[in-house]
Parts: sequence; structure tokens; C-alpha cells
Amino acid sequence: AQSVTQLGSHVSVSEGALVLLRCNYSSSVPPYLFWYVQYPNQGLQLLLKYTSAATLVKGINGFEAEFKKSETSFHLTKPSAHMSDAAEYFCAVSRYNNNDMRFGAGTRLTVKP
Amino acid sequence: GAVVSQHPSWVICKSGTSVKIECRSLDFQATTMFWYRQFPKQSLMLMATSNEGSKATYEQGVEKDKFLINHASLTLSTLTVTSAHPEDSSFYICSAPRTGGTGELFFGEGSRLTVL
Repeated sequence: AQSVTQLGSHVSVSEGALVLLRCNYSSSVPPYLFWYVQYPNQGLQLLLKYTSAATLVKGINGFEAEFKKSETSFHLTKPSAHMSDAAEYFCAVSRYNNNDMRFGAGTRLTVKP
Repeated sequence: GAVVSQHPSWVICKSGTSVKIECRSLDFQATTMFWYRQFPKQSLMLMATSNEGSKATYEQGVEKDKFLINHASLTLSTLTVTSAHPEDSSFYICSAPRTGGTGELFFGEGSRLTVL
């Protein structure tokens, strides 16, 4: 069975500050890991994904995440927050040739001016 | 651009009526699609897996007769909420897998259902 845990349901940062959203996974097989962003009343948009290639993954909008097997983590970071980054972020896990994707509870990012 | 499209985006209906939500894959075929339900400020909960040409697979606790799923073609899945009640009000999102075994899903824009 696979699962992800997002630490912190709400993160607030100032504009220009570092963004760090935490995600830990549990999987009995090599995982595929994803970060999605959701704006109000919209579907999910893929930010980035890890599928067993490079452990440091760069995504859209300046976000990146690092897969750390020893820590079973896949934290999302961005060096400098922008007001437009305010949204809900979901970490998710699946595996090769299996589309049964499981989501974390989500982290709401607030960016203060 | 969007690769999975949902319609309608918003729907308001009276209690006791049925509502159909469509999910289409654009420019690719999807033998499998997924339907999720999302309550306010909560995560996505998988409701069912829609399979083209066969019956949908429902998650535990999801009423099959309440949430009818039909995967009529390789590009279309529909979710019908039958005899809707206010507690069925929610945000429904569909998804379709990217081809190639990557485990990635493309998501529709979501459909906000409000039952009066």
C-alpha cells in the first residue's frame, strides 16, 4: 500500500521568502511522486514529478523537489514566494504502470505582501 | 491547454433530481478514468475507477446506485448523481492517466455540484 503525509495543513510565508512544503511517503515498491497545485474551484495542475530518474526534480513556476529515499521524503521548495503561488498543494504517490494515485491531505499556502 | 475536460463546471439542482457530469479526454484515448470527490478544504477522495467497456470499480463506502458511472467510449466517461440530496453537494473531479506507465494523471477542471 502507498500513502503520503503532508506535514502542515497551512503554511504562511512572506512574499520573497522561501517556500517549503513537506511530504513524506510510504511505499512498498519504488514510488512515483507528484506535486499538484489547485487554485479555487479548479482542477489539479501538475507542478513536478519524480519517476525514478534524477532525485532533484525541477517543475513549473520555479518549484523544485528532492526525492530522499533515506528520509522517505519529497519536499517541495521555491526560493522566493510570489503572491500568485497562494493555492492548495497536494503531494501524491503512485507507481509504475499503476494509476492508483493517492493524495496527501493538502497544504494551503498563503503568501503575505 | 487542458487535456481532460469536464462539463459542466457548475451545476445547481433540486433535491431528488439527477445530474450528469461528463469527463472527456482530449486528443488521447483513456481506457481508464478516475472520479474523485473533494469536500471543502479537504483532499481528493477516490470514488471509482471508470473502465471503458466494462463496469466501474467503486471504492469502499461509495454507493454504486447513487453514483452511476458509464465509460461509453475511449474519450468519454460520465458520472450521474441520481436522486441528489444536499449531502451530495461537493466538488467532483475526473482524471485520466498519461500514457506510458508514468503513473501521472491529467485532471479535469472539476464540477461544483450544489443540491438545493
